[in-house]
Amino acid sequence: AQRVTQPEKLLSVFKGAPVELKCNYSYSGSPELFWYVQYSRQRLQLLLRHISRESIKGFTADLNKGETSFHLKKPFAQEEDSAMYYCALSKKGAQKLVFGQGTRLTINP
Amino acid sequence: DAGVTQSPTHLIKTRGQQVTLRCSPKSGHDTVSWYQQALGQGPQFIFQYYEEEERQRGNFPDRFSGHQFPNYSSELNVNALLLGDSALYLCASSLGPVFYEQYFGPGTRLTVT
Repeated sequence: AQRVTQPEKLLSVFKGAPVELKCNYSYSGSPELFWYVQYSRQRLQLLLRHISRESIKGFTADLNKGETSFHLKKPFAQEEDSAMYYCALSKKGAQKLVFGQGTRLTINP
Repeated sequence: DAGVTQSPTHLIKTRGQQVTLRCSPKSGHDTVSWYQQALGQGPQFIFQYYEEEERQRGNFPDRFSGHQFPNYSSELNVNALLLGDSALYLCASSLGPVFYEQYFGPGTRLTVT
């Protein structure tokens, strides 16, 4: 069964501190992994996908197939990073997304 | 371009009633997917429409049905509403049913009493 687990519902860090949002998945095959973000009063939007290997807004995520993880990291958190973050997976090329429960990240000044 | 639009913004229905939610995709997009997001949960895939046909379906009962029109807009219909159907319903559009990034709408908040 396809499943995405985000163990932390809430995460709070200070501005300038490193941040890591955890994501573990179970999937029989090679999935595509994504991070979506929802800022306050905005719609859900794609932050990054593992296949593009981009760094968006200073965030990076590495797919670890051995540990079936796709943690999101940023070395220095900014207040504007406060948002709801969702990890998601799909079958390669497909658009049916399986989302985790989400982690609410709060950056304290 | 307003992006993906959904209507209504929110509505309240009574158990047993039927509801229709509407979605207009982003300009140039031809594929629409629907998701249900219960409070405190991540979105769950309901189904996807492309070329006016249901292409993929998630684990939802037949009470959930949809339609796509020639202008690519889409409707989600839910019959015999249950209290558990109360959720935010999200529509996402893309250029084609595979590979392309999905753009989400603001959602319709459905409350079943």
